[in-house]
Amino acid sequence: KNEVEQSPQNLTAQEGEFITINCSYSVGISALHWLQQHPGGGIVSLFMLSSGKKKHGRLIATINIQEKHSSLHITASHPRDSAVYICAGEQGAQKLVFGQGTRLTINP
Amino acid sequence: DGGITQSPKYLFRKEGQNVTLSCEQNLNHDAMYWYRQDPGQGLRLIYYSQIVNDFQKGDIAEGYSVSREKKESFPLTVTSAQKNPTAFYLCASSNAGAINEKLFFGSGTQLSVL
Repeated sequence: KNEVEQSPQNLTAQEGEFITINCSYSVGISALHWLQQHPGGGIVSLFMLSSGKKKHGRLIATINIQEKHSSLHITASHPRDSAVYICAGEQGAQKLVFGQGTRLTINP
Repeated sequence: DGGITQSPKYLFRKEGQNVTLSCEQNLNHDAMYWYRQDPGQGLRLIYYSQIVNDFQKGDIAEGYSVSREKKESFPLTVTSAQKNPTAFYLCASSNAGAINEKLFFGSGTQLSVL
């Protein structure tokens, strides 16, 4: 079983829809990173959180430590949000364990 | 602008050849990392370095080597011992020891075998 599991693997939605991507992780992970990978391959770090909730523009990330679960939400989704979203758990000493990614496609 | 630069963007390797991927950062970060990405799989750690002249093996270090002679540079060599080198390689950096620090990634190098 992977230490970081994402769902769904693929998600297609219409422009304007509210998007939720989920990430469950195992014991030993102290913090969660959410990353965005565009078709060209480059990765941008969106959030790093160890408790509570963070918001940046239309993106919201939440984490529930007790349930070992994190979600990434996108409000008012737009075609430019189409990308692969990756969650990664921090296992101390700057070591990250990555989920397989969620491929999001937003149709106009 | 500060950032991480990887080169080349595309690289082809012949059988038995060693190739080196470049990673340079001007963010003054202590820690640097090399990851490998295969289709349908999560990123996997090859090597990481938290300080100049020191580096540690990651989960899939066999067939790879690195050096960290300067803070700004962390080149990765894919040796002939790596039998399945075709993958997308990503370099990243962060402030080692900093709490709640984001990772910064380069744009990646796609390595293919001829």
